[in-house]
Amino acid sequence: GQQLNQSPQSMFIQEGEDVSMNCTSSSIFNTWLWYKQEPGEGPVLLIALYKAGELTSNGRLTAQFGITRKDSFLNISASIPSDVGIYFCAGHTGNQFYFGTGTSLTVIP
Amino acid sequence: DAGVIQSPRHEVTEMGQEVTLRCKPISGHNSLFWYRQTMMRGLELLIYFNNNVPIDDSGMPEDRFSAKMPNASFSTLKIQPSEPRDSAVYFCASNGNTGELFFGEGSRLTVL
Repeated sequence: GQQLNQSPQSMFIQEGEDVSMNCTSSSIFNTWLWYKQEPGEGPVLLIALYKAGELTSNGRLTAQFGITRKDSFLNISASIPSDVGIYFCAGHTGNQFYFGTGTSLTVIP
Repeated sequence: DAGVIQSPRHEVTEMGQEVTLRCKPISGHNSLFWYRQTMMRGLELLIYFNNNVPIDDSGMPEDRFSAKMPNASFSTLKIQPSEPRDSAVYFCASNGNTGELFFGEGSRLTVL
């Protein structure tokens, strides 16, 4: 199935730094989703975006639905150690969901 | 509110044995998805159901894999016979036509 281009693949940052990751696709999506997955757990939905250009925040997380509907980004401000995990983007169209390959985030205290 | 519930969380079995994974979607959700996650391939869609009807099973690896959804609150994924290359984490997820997909905690399968 289709996979989205997600970058970067991994990030090592100092606690307190801001983080930015993005996803691109050759297809248009109706919804963009961002998930966080911790070891041994399932992906947890962080943010859902429904409209092109939409900017949505959830605490220190901010995500945007690209104006072309083919991309999205996620920012994490002032990172803390518990932000560690793998972040996935997903695009939704029809009744299908397509996933990025994930960004592994390591926060160094 | 209860999320997607999967069982078992962990299963270790020997090659050739039958494996049955179970899923209870979020109440009121009408679409259910089975995914497999491995380091090499990431998240792969195996099959999804809409209103208990299988819509797309093109991701099911081979005839050894089968899935059923006898009612709106229960689905199974069966592997018979299991092989070591089936070792992975299997996720069930459900969607209620809101564009949001919710995952269970997964079933980690190890086939020896």
